Amino acid sequence: GNSVTQMEGPVTLSEEAFLTINCTYTATGYPSLFWYVQYPGEGLQLLLKATKADDKGSNKGFEATYRKETTSFHLEKGSVQVSDSAVYFCALIGSGGGADGLTFGKGTHLIIQP
Amino acid sequence: EAGVAQSPRYKIIEKRQSVAFWCNPISGHATLYWYQQILGQGPKLLIQFQNNGVVDDSQLPKDRFSAERLKGVDSTLKIQPAKLEDSAVYLCASSSGRAAGYTFGSGTRLTVV
Repeated sequence: GNSVTQMEGPVTLSEEAFLTINCTYTATGYPSLFWYVQYPGEGLQLLLKATKADDKGSNKGFEATYRKETTSFHLEKGSVQVSDSAVYFCALIGSGGGADGLTFGKGTHLIIQP
Repeated sequence: EAGVAQSPRYKIIEKRQSVAFWCNPISGHATLYWYQQILGQGPKLLIQFQNNGVVDDSQLPKDRFSAERLKGVDSTLKIQPAKLEDSAVYLCASSSGRAAGYTFGSGTRLTVV
């Protein structure tokens, strides 16, 4: 079946540091890949997505590139802010059939210190 | 547009009691999902509806969980009887199609004591 593995947290960085959160996946065919963010006390929000190999998703200064050869979708940001503190989830949807529920990783808690 | 509405926001029950959660998706969204998010884990899909039909319920513990989506709009998720390990946030999401993305509600936090 499909699965997503992402780096364990919490990840603690100083403001303006470079961020990488690793995500790898297992799926047949060509899944669609997503990053969701959950700010404290709020619901899940889509951060970015990529639907085919070599696509780059980007939003709010965050980027992730769909790498088929390494089955990865690492999240990066060049300069983090305190407001980026949240839990980040990598997720995928499999490529076949009508069942298209998301498969999530366990989440990475990001803490940005001023 | 209005978001995905869920109620209640919080619920505390004793084990072996029953509980029900309600979800109203975004108007026009044919697909509705229920997820269970246990503390410290990612959400896990419980059931997917397309209009009022079930597409995927392979991870729904059918001995105690049930869900319905009458008339293809609102949905309810029920647990009977509840166990301690059912303590989690129950998330509802809706979509108008795979390419359009998914919108999540704020969830119902269930505590079973």
